[in-house]
Amino acid sequence: QKEVEQDPGPLSVPEGAIVSLNCTYSNSAFQYFMWYRQYSRKGPELLMYTYSSGNKEDGRFTAQVDKSSKYISLFIRDSQPSDSATYLCAMSEGQNFVFGPGTRLSVLP
Amino acid sequence: DGGITQSPKYLFRKEGQNVTLSCEQNLNHDAMYWYRQDPGQGLRLIYYSQIVNDFQKGDIAEGYSVSREKKESFPLTVTSAQKNPTAFYLCASSMFGEVNEQFFGPGTRLTVL
Repeated sequence: QKEVEQDPGPLSVPEGAIVSLNCTYSNSAFQYFMWYRQYSRKGPELLMYTYSSGNKEDGRFTAQVDKSSKYISLFIRDSQPSDSATYLCAMSEGQNFVFGPGTRLSVLP
Repeated sequence: DGGITQSPKYLFRKEGQNVTLSCEQNLNHDAMYWYRQDPGQGLRLIYYSQIVNDFQKGDIAEGYSVSREKKESFPLTVTSAQKNPTAFYLCASSMFGEVNEQFFGPGTRLTVL
């Protein structure tokens, strides 16, 4: 079993749709959970980070963490073509830092 | 502006040559990292360093070498021993401590001809 798995696979949605991106993980010691956005041929940029279980909202983006289920989600409301990118989840405990494989999102005008 | 710079943006190498990728940060971060990104495989850790003059191997260190002589700089050398070096290389840095979200540079795309 991989340490972090991410779904869905490549995703295409119409502009204005609500997008749900998800990661599951196996290491219950993870305490910090992050979402990165990576545009094509660019470095990832930190979008949001949360500590332990709960929700965090930032504009159109909401991050959810459920440590009991080892499951994290990123919701994007009113998706825009500029949201088209690869989204990477990441999690850490101490200096153990792990990334998911990423989900490529295309928002069609 | 604080940030992480990587150079060059694109690099072409002939088989059998060593090449060095540059990474510099002015964020006063203690820790620095090198990742390799291949299509469909996410980020794989090559080397990381938590303090000057000290570094540790990551998951795929074979064929790579690093140095950390200054806090701001963490160059990566891709040696001729690396069998499949064509990839996108990303450098990152973070504070050393409990909360250590990583910040990334723009990346270097290496192509072996």
